[in-house]
Amino acid sequence: DIVLTQSPASLAVSLGQRATISCRASQSVSTSSYSYMHWYQQKPGQPPKLLIKYASNLESGVPARFSGSGSGTDFTLNIHPVEEEDTATYYCQHSWEIPLTFGAGTKLELK
Amino acid sequence: EVKLLESGGGLVQPGGSLKLSCAASGFDFSRYWMSWVRQAPGKGLEWIGEINPDSSTINYTPSLKDKFIISRDNAKNTLYLQMSKVRSEDTALYYCAREGVRRGYAMDYWGQGTSVTVSS
Repeated sequence: DIVLTQSPASLAVSLGQRATISCRASQSVSTSSYSYMHWYQQKPGQPPKLLIKYASNLESGVPARFSGSGSGTDFTLNIHPVEEEDTATYYCQHSWEIPLTFGAGTKLELK
Repeated sequence: EVKLLESGGGLVQPGGSLKLSCAASGFDFSRYWMSWVRQAPGKGLEWIGEINPDSSTINYTPSLKDKFIISRDNAKNTLYLQMSKVRSEDTALYYCAREGVRRGYAMDYWGQGTSVTVSS
């Protein structure tokens, strides 16, 4: 199974600043064309919401302050500028092979 | 509008069985891969498995393959999860999620989840 290691487990960011979340895969999840890595946001009491697909493609309706990057085994989710409503837990997930797996999550809080 | 509505959760005794449903609307259900994902209280997301549009391919996470069965009825626009030999560790919120028309897509729509509690 591909293990996704997210870091940090939690972070506190001031309003308007940048939040950076890392996801490292135990093996490559990229081809020359696509990276099979996706990012989700989950607020308490709500289902996950897709933010970024294929490492860097913003899902429709998601604010442009969210961005994703990376390839191979190292991926990053950036949020800038952070807004109050971004308080949530963020998960990475690969769809490279079976089984699909998720990272353990990163909890974002405001300072 | 795409909607996914899970149902069938509740209290089940250890060793028992339960069948969850996910009613889909607002899209052509018969064209999409679908997944089940669960989340234990206070924990992260765990993928259970997926099924392709015509049910010819069903994939599971290995640790759950002998306990859970995923199926679908395209005529009823409904996805199912048959749970058996449940244990306390299966207590969780169970979500259905839409993937794409091919394997490897992200899960772009999720239901609100149905809660399963395993307890005597």
